Amino acid sequence: DIQMTQSPSTLSASTGDRVTITCRASQSIGSWLAWYQQKPGKAPDLLIYKASTLETGVPSRFSGSGSGTEFTLTISSLQPDDFATYYCQQYYTYSTFGQGTKVEMK
Amino acid sequence: EVQLVESGGGLAQPGGSLRLSCVGYRFTFSSYSMNWVRQAPGKGLEWVSYISSGNTKDYADSVKGRFTISRDNAKNSLYLQMNSLRAEDTAVYYCARDRIAYSSSCDSFGFWGQGTMVIVSS
Repeated sequence: DIQMTQSPSTLSASTGDRVTITCRASQSIGSWLAWYQQKPGKAPDLLIYKASTLETGVPSRFSGSGSGTEFTLTISSLQPDDFATYYCQQYYTYSTFGQGTKVEMK
Repeated sequence: EVQLVESGGGLAQPGGSLRLSCVGYRFTFSSYSMNWVRQAPGKGLEWVSYISSGNTKDYADSVKGRFTISRDNAKNSLYLQMNSLRAEDTAVYYCARDRIAYSSSCDSFGFWGQGTMVIVSS
């Protein structure tokens, strides 16, 4: 099974900060990686698929990069609505999620 | 707008059974692979099961042999039959639709339901 490891688990940041979250796969998954945002009590929302393609309607301050085993999600200028938990997902072989990164207010 | 509505959650005893349902609205249900994803209280997301538009199925190791996924395209419905329930199956269960139609394997999940809570406790 493919394991996904995110870092950090928690990230403290302020509005306007540039934020980067890393996701590492236990084997190569090409570009078959997605990123989701989840707020408390809500279902996740798809932000990025195929490692770097922005889902329709997602603000351009979100971007994704990487391939193979190393991936990053970057928020160029953190907005108040962005404080949430973020998950990566591989879909190279069925599906596995990372353990999540909580972005909290510093 | 696409909508997914889950139902069937509730309280079950260890060793018991529950059947979850998910109805899809405003898209061609038969064209899409569907998934179940769960989230234990305070924990992360865990993929549970997948069923393709062509009825190929797969399961996470944690539920293999105990859970069965199925679909009824005439009713725009997805199901998860959960048997031999354990305390560790306690979670919110989400149904999620693949982002694109007729994907050859699991895809990213473009739409999610609101979730249904399953509690396994004596």
